[in-house]
Amino acid sequence: DAKTTQPTSMDCAEGRAANLPCNHSTISGNEYVYWYRQIHSQGPQYIIHGLKNNETNEMASLIITEDRKSSTLILPHATLRDTAVYYCIVRVVTSGTYKYIFGTGTRLKVLA
Amino acid sequence: SQTIHQWPATLVQPVGSPLSLECTVEGTSNPNLYWYRQAAGRGLQLLFYSVGIGQISSEVPQNLSASRPQDRQFILSSKKLLLSDSGFYLCAWNHNNSPLHFGNGTRLTVT
Repeated sequence: DAKTTQPTSMDCAEGRAANLPCNHSTISGNEYVYWYRQIHSQGPQYIIHGLKNNETNEMASLIITEDRKSSTLILPHATLRDTAVYYCIVRVVTSGTYKYIFGTGTRLKVLA
Repeated sequence: SQTIHQWPATLVQPVGSPLSLECTVEGTSNPNLYWYRQAAGRGLQLLFYSVGIGQISSEVPQNLSASRPQDRQFILSSKKLLLSDSGFYLCAWNHNNSPLHFGNGTRLTVT
């Protein structure tokens, strides 16, 4: 079972920041939060990940709350090409192996 | 650089027929390999993962099986397909502590 919950869908105006929330209230201390996105009929694309600290890369920023029970992915200036399904994932360690359990994600629609 | 290949891209098979989907990774060695399935309008479901040759872990009971005959080859199979096996099948790889990298998937329609 997925360890994350996300809103089913969101809209964002082109050029504005898109803030995608995720709840992971049962996360354990050594479990990372990962974000992926999937454009229709393609494989998911890695965006960013983090453990405790906020992270930023060329695609997005990840804000993790101090208690680590939730996080927010920020796309600073959304474009039409950012329309996709965004998955928030907790990476679980099982028998020494990392497993990535996907939920149903948030369908982000960027509006012109 | 590392690349992951899946084939075929699309497949239409009759109920009761066998299935073989192949995934290969290039440019790396000893990867962790994963098979996911995505039903229409749904999220990704982890089916199998492998940490080495001949080592397969199954996540859910189903009509499918997986094998890893070589270090960088991961095969998803079925002896007799069911209608419910239709979906988008994705292969992925990583090394521990690195993100998953996905292939472009195989869209399977069982008729």
